[in-house]
Amino acid sequence: NAGVMQNPRHLVRRRGQEARLRCSPMKGHSHVYWYRQLPEEGLKFMVYLQKENIIDESGMPKERFSAEFPKEGPSILRIQQVVRGDSAAYFCASSPDGMSNQPQHFGDGTRLSIL
Amino acid sequence: AQSVSQHNHHVILSEAASLELGCNYSYGGTVNLFWYVQYPGQHLQLLLKYFSGDPLVKGIKGFEAEFIKSKFSFNLRKPSVQWSDTAEYFCAVSSFGNEKLTFGTGTRLTIIP
Repeated sequence: NAGVMQNPRHLVRRRGQEARLRCSPMKGHSHVYWYRQLPEEGLKFMVYLQKENIIDESGMPKERFSAEFPKEGPSILRIQQVVRGDSAAYFCASSPDGMSNQPQHFGDGTRLSIL
Repeated sequence: AQSVSQHNHHVILSEAASLELGCNYSYGGTVNLFWYVQYPGQHLQLLLKYFSGDPLVKGIKGFEAEFIKSKFSFNLRKPSVQWSDTAEYFCAVSSFGNEKLTFGTGTRLTIIP
């Protein structure tokens, strides 16, 4: 499958633990976007990264959330000290060159549940 | 800032009925418009997109959408729906030079056989 790969599909954490969500973009894509979908809401942009660079993090909460896209390996969205309100579906998308008229290709998402 | 409104939260139709899902956006500049579909348990898939040119855009699975600039609208249509069209539909917009997508809240479409 050459699509956007996210893992895990489901992640359960207790309050205060850390959550790490991974995203491998489509082959040939070097631009990654993270979105969050809260229950009964649409997807909200969180962060846009290229290899080793954060381009736009205007949608990221100021605390506890961070993202990286290293030179080698997948993009990681990290949530420290999770709280109940972090329960959501987190989607990763990728595009080949970051042009605004290029459609983004989405992964299956990671459903994060906080106990 | 740009925003997207989808007026219908849940639409229920019988097979063979015609479909129109509303989408309005607010942004004064050049926009790129998208419709994505999310089938149960699956990832978002691109149905169609508008960047420029003919405002009537045809997508996959018989869907089409019309960009009406004066109304800031990009409504999705299909003349005859099928049971397999049951899914959630999201309208999204990006602006020139701003790659992030702004999504509407989605419309859940249920087709009754």
